[in-house]
Amino acid sequence: QQQVKQSPQSLIVQKGGISIINCAYENTAFDYFPWYQQFPGKGPALLIAIRPDVSEKKEGRFTISFNKSAKQFSLHIMDSQPGDSATYFCAASKGSGGGADGLTFGKGTHLIIQP
Amino acid sequence: NAGVMQNPRHLVRRRGQEARLRCSPMKGHSHVYWYRQLPEEGLKFMVYLQKENIIDESGMPKERFSAEFPKEGPSILRIQQVVRGDSAAYFCASSPGGNIQYFGAGTRLSVL
Repeated sequence: QQQVKQSPQSLIVQKGGISIINCAYENTAFDYFPWYQQFPGKGPALLIAIRPDVSEKKEGRFTISFNKSAKQFSLHIMDSQPGDSATYFCAASKGSGGGADGLTFGKGTHLIIQP
Repeated sequence: NAGVMQNPRHLVRRRGQEARLRCSPMKGHSHVYWYRQLPEEGLKFMVYLQKENIIDESGMPKERFSAEFPKEGPSILRIQQVVRGDSAAYFCASSPGGNIQYFGAGTRLSVL
């Protein structure tokens, strides 16, 4: 059972455009929703994360939008640049304080920014 | 402050051999998570450890796989009698506690 569904599988955006990646989750116990960026041959790097008590979080060109009632969240990359070309993973977990469960990941989106 | 260190970066084993993957968490982090990534797939959680304790091993195969995080030294993921299906990238993440996790560069295991 896939608990976090990510779409699209691949995405091509022109330089300067907005890249949008969507995720939907099933487990209402999840309380932490990060996005990771991964380049070929590298480990995932944390980009930005959100908790369900806010509907939007922005850090530089990256914005997470969160819809708790729909159990969906999305990543928006503004002014997309060729250096943003990578694989992006959404994830979710529950628990806080002393420790948290392992992350449940989506299957990833291959993003290509065309110059 | 060094990040999460994993070694080796690449590991080649023949079927039936043992694979040992090491992970040194970031300084001050006592929580370690192991994940497996198959080609073109997302990461799958395997096991969550704190110093000397396994907290959650629900994602770990019941046979041939084991993990430890001793009081001193790195966390070890051990795969006994490897098979071709074990070929994957194995990532370790560390956390100071709470939800945030920082990942290492991974170990790419190839089973011949």
